Amino acid sequence: AQSVAQPEDQVNVAEGNPLTVKCTYSVSGNPYLFWYVQYPNRGLQFLLKYITGDNLVKGSYGFEAEFNKSQTSFHLKKPSALVSDSALYFCAVRDPRGSGGYQKVTFGTGTKLQVIP
Amino acid sequence: EAQVTQNPRYLITVTGKKLTVTCSQNMNHEYMSWYRQDPGLGLRQIYYSMNVEVTDKGDVPEGYKVSRKEKRNFPLILESPSPNQTSLYFCASRPGQDSYEQYFGPGTRLTVT
Repeated sequence: AQSVAQPEDQVNVAEGNPLTVKCTYSVSGNPYLFWYVQYPNRGLQFLLKYITGDNLVKGSYGFEAEFNKSQTSFHLKKPSALVSDSALYFCAVRDPRGSGGYQKVTFGTGTKLQVIP
Repeated sequence: EAQVTQNPRYLITVTGKKLTVTCSQNMNHEYMSWYRQDPGLGLRQIYYSMNVEVTDKGDVPEGYKVSRKEKRNFPLILESPSPNQTSLYFCASRPGQDSYEQYFGPGTRLTVT
């Protein structure tokens, strides 16, 4: 069974400092990996994905994530945090082999990012 | 505007009173899903649909039903709601098997007393 772990319920960072939100995954094959962001009273919005290729992927709003196969990690990063980045962030994994033609997506429990002015 | 819509956005109801949460997408997507979001548990999939008349259970299907009679609509039905179904519900869609990004609705906050 596939799974995702986000070990930190909350991450606090000062505005202008670099931020990292951690994610580790477990899946049998080569994973598809995703980050989504949820602002208050809104649905989830897609940030970025890793499918194959370069281990460093860039996404929306200046975010990037690094895929590390040996550590089974996909940490979200941003060089300089903004107050407007404060939100709930979800990591997700999908096994491209699927079952019965369906590739299930499993989400982590979410990490609340608080950027302090 | 391409979007996933859900109605109602907020609902307070009593135990046992049947309710339906509607979900509609205008992007001609094949795949649709329902999730519930609970503190400390993240998003858990309730049901999914790969196309019209094709639905299957997700991780937490007990107490829920769905139907997919038209491509754009994927209603979630609670025949006899119970307090443990108090949650934040999201509908999501994506074009098909080879697509990556999911598009989420704004959420429905359900309280069952």
